Formats: sequence, C-alpha cells, structure tokens
Amino acid sequence: AQKVTQAQTEISVVEKEDVTLDCVYETRDTTYYLFWYKQPPSGELVFLIRRNSFDEQNEISGRYSWNFQKSTSSFNFTITASQVVDSAVYFCALSEATLGSGSARQLTFGSGTQLTVLP
Amino acid sequence: DTGVSQNPRHKITKRGQNVTFRCDPISEHNRLYWYRQTLGQGPEFLTYFQNEAQLEKSRLLSDRFSAERPKGSFSTLEIQRTEQGDSAMYLCASSGSQGTTYEQYFGPGTRLTVT
Repeated sequence: AQKVTQAQTEISVVEKEDVTLDCVYETRDTTYYLFWYKQPPSGELVFLIRRNSFDEQNEISGRYSWNFQKSTSSFNFTITASQVVDSAVYFCALSEATLGSGSARQLTFGSGTQLTVLP
Repeated sequence: DTGVSQNPRHKITKRGQNVTFRCDPISEHNRLYWYRQTLGQGPEFLTYFQNEAQLEKSRLLSDRFSAERPKGSFSTLEIQRTEQGDSAMYLCASSGSQGTTYEQYFGPGTRLTVT
C-alpha cells in the first residue's frame, strides 16, 4: 500500500524567511509520480508540480524549488523569501502507475502542512 | 479554457435524504476523479473514470454512494440515505491519460452538511 507522510502539521515563518516542507512517501512500485498542491484559504487545490520516479533532477521555479531523493523516499519543497500570499495548506501526493501504460492513477495525499507567513 | 466546475457549491441536507453532485471536467480531459476531504485532512480517493468507464472504486465508497459518467463528459455523484458522517467537501478533478497530461486539476468542491 502507498502512503505519504507530512510530519509538519503547522509551520509559521516571518516574511522573507526560507521554509522547507517535508514529504516522505512509501510505495512498492518502481514507477510512480509525486505531486505538490497548494490549498489557499479559498479552498481550491492548486497544482504546483509533478515529478516522475525515474527523474531525480531537482527543479526550481521562481521562489519554489523541489528536492527529490529516491534513496530517502523524500520529495521536499522549499519556498525562498516567503511572502504572506504563500500562506496556505500544502499537500504532497503520490500516484502509482497503471500497469502497461504507465499513466498516473488516483492520488494518495499526505495530511498537509499549514504554512503561515507573518508580515 | 475553463477549469473544472462543480455544482452545487454548498448543500445542506437532513439525515436520510438523497443528494446528487455534478462535476464538469476540463473539456479535453478523459479522466475524472472524485475525492472527499474532511477538515484538517488531505483529500481521500473515492472513484475514477476513464471516458465513461468507472475503473476504480475505493473501499470508502459504500453501497450508498454511486457515481456515473454516462457520456464520458460530466459526472454525477449520488449519496443515498445521507448520514452525518457524510459531511465533507467533495472534490472533483480531471486529467489526461497521456504523457505530460497526468496532472489532476481540481474543481472548487461541493461542501455537504448533513444535519
């Protein structure tokens, strides 16, 4: 069975600080996909990034960066120079691959990390 | 390109009543997913469709729940004989099934309150 653990329930930082959100996953599949979603106070889940299990290259997008390490089954998310608008709940999610096609399937989510950025 | 839409946004019902929710996916997406989210938790998978075929159902989907996607476009989720434990946010998402289209895009959800 697959599982996603986000051990940090709540994090509070002051604006312009860097913050890292941790995500540890478990799966028996060799092909899988990892995702991060943001859920602001408005409630709608916003897709941030997808990584494939066969691509461990780290990614940077503006102030966001992601560190994927298969050796430790972790997919951590760092926000550099945080802003008040970054305040939200962040979810890490895992999808195993469909046999044959390798396409992604349903998501297994972690319990989320509530990030509060104070002005 | 419009996103995923869900109706209604809010539903208050009395225990024992039936309710039905609708989801309209992104038009070119052939996969449609239903999830349920309770306060303080991540979304939990209920079921998904590829075109009109329902491919997987979670054990969370009891006999009182049924989902359809009759023409491979919009989907409905019906809950019969609602219970207070059914109170939650019901989320719909859609995605493609090819290559780089695996990201699931979520709708705003339908918040169900069973009194």
